[in-house]
Amino acid sequence: SQTIHQWPATLVQPVGSPLSLECTVEGTSNPNLYWYRQAAGRGLQLLFYSVGIGQISSEVPQNLSASRPQDRQFILSSKKLLLSDSGFYLCAWSVSNGQPQHFGDGTRLSIL
Amino acid sequence: ELKVEQNPLFLSMQEGKNYTIYCNYSTTSDRLYWYRQDPGKSLESLFVLLSNGAVKQEGRLMASLDTKARLSTLHITAAVHDLSATYFCAVDPDSNYQLIWGAGTKLIIKP
Repeated sequence: SQTIHQWPATLVQPVGSPLSLECTVEGTSNPNLYWYRQAAGRGLQLLFYSVGIGQISSEVPQNLSASRPQDRQFILSSKKLLLSDSGFYLCAWSVSNGQPQHFGDGTRLSIL
Repeated sequence: ELKVEQNPLFLSMQEGKNYTIYCNYSTTSDRLYWYRQDPGKSLESLFVLLSNGAVKQEGRLMASLDTKARLSTLHITAAVHDLSATYFCAVDPDSNYQLIWGAGTKLIIKP
């Protein structure tokens, strides 16, 4: 069966510090991968998606970046965090049209 | 602009009652998804609706899709406290794996 791992679960970072969140998927090949952000009490904002290794599409201009160094690994990064980067970050994967996206447990990021 | 609107955004109801959450979208789409999110948790897939007239049921929840009206409903029958959560709908308008999400409906069911 397929599983998705996302870490860390919680992160507290000072403004201006770097960020690296990691997501890996097991049990499937060539998944589509997604990074979302959810502000408190709000809906989902798609940040990045990837349909293959090295292929990243950005949906929202920001100081975040994403990379896919391996087929089932998706990394969200920032060189300098802003207060507005606080939120709940969710990684998700899907394999084909008509199938739902499956989400990781999320990372709760607080910027101080 | 592609929009997915959920109604209501907040719903407080008593156990044992029935209610419906509505999801309207602004573009053609044959694919609609319902998710559940418990407080502080991730999202869990509930239903996948892939054609006009599709109806899916799981326990006390039933989802339907009317692609002509661009409307999906999530009906709750005889609500129980365990169904308290935020429910999201999402559409896939271009079949390109990118979903457009509703803002979510926060459902509180009181014993």
